[in-house]
Amino acid sequence: AQKITQTQPGMFVQEKEAVTLDCTYDTSDQSYGLFWYKQPSSGEMIFLIYQGSYDEQNATEGRYSLNFQKARKSANLVISASQLGDSAMYFCAMREGRDDKIIFGKGTRLHILP
Amino acid sequence: DAGVIQSPRHEVTEMGQEVTLRCKPISGHNSLFWYRQTMMRGLELLIYFNNNVPIDDSGMPEDRFSAKMPNASFSTLKIQPSEPRDSAVYFCASSPIAGVSYEQYFGPGTRLTVT
Repeated sequence: AQKITQTQPGMFVQEKEAVTLDCTYDTSDQSYGLFWYKQPSSGEMIFLIYQGSYDEQNATEGRYSLNFQKARKSANLVISASQLGDSAMYFCAMREGRDDKIIFGKGTRLHILP
Repeated sequence: DAGVIQSPRHEVTEMGQEVTLRCKPISGHNSLFWYRQTMMRGLELLIYFNNNVPIDDSGMPEDRFSAKMPNASFSTLKIQPSEPRDSAVYFCASSPIAGVSYEQYFGPGTRLTVT
């Protein structure tokens, strides 16, 4: 079974609208961390936001927020007021407490339309 | 502060040649990861080190691939002999050990083309 599932291979969104990128995860660990990375067309991997499994508040970083629903094992990324520069591939990832490695999903390619 | 440094940024080689990719992690980071990214397979973890010791190499595709970390500031990924199907972007990443909350910092990647 996949540890990280991103069901949207691609999305098109109008500039200035909010965007929600879906991510579900699978783990039996109580302690884990969830991450989102952005990969623009230039290729670099950019860390966006982190949510810990014990964090009660949803993480926020500027225009990024993580909608963490623990019971549903869901960790959706919300981008408010999207900009053309948000066009990129977005990866959801998880680090389990038992391990040091981070497991990545297949990614969602986001296109922001002017 | 310098981030993760990878060299070369681009490598074009012929099938059968040896290829060596290099990585310098962020100073003070104890964990180092090598990834391969292709359109077909996405981002795959090849191997990772803690304190210069290989911990998990289950992602290394076959014996043609080897990785070393002789000290805390340098790692290599070697492919010998290279094949066209090895063409991919290879990323190195580093992070502190201990705890789930530390993100990995990625290098810019090496784009490898094997003809």
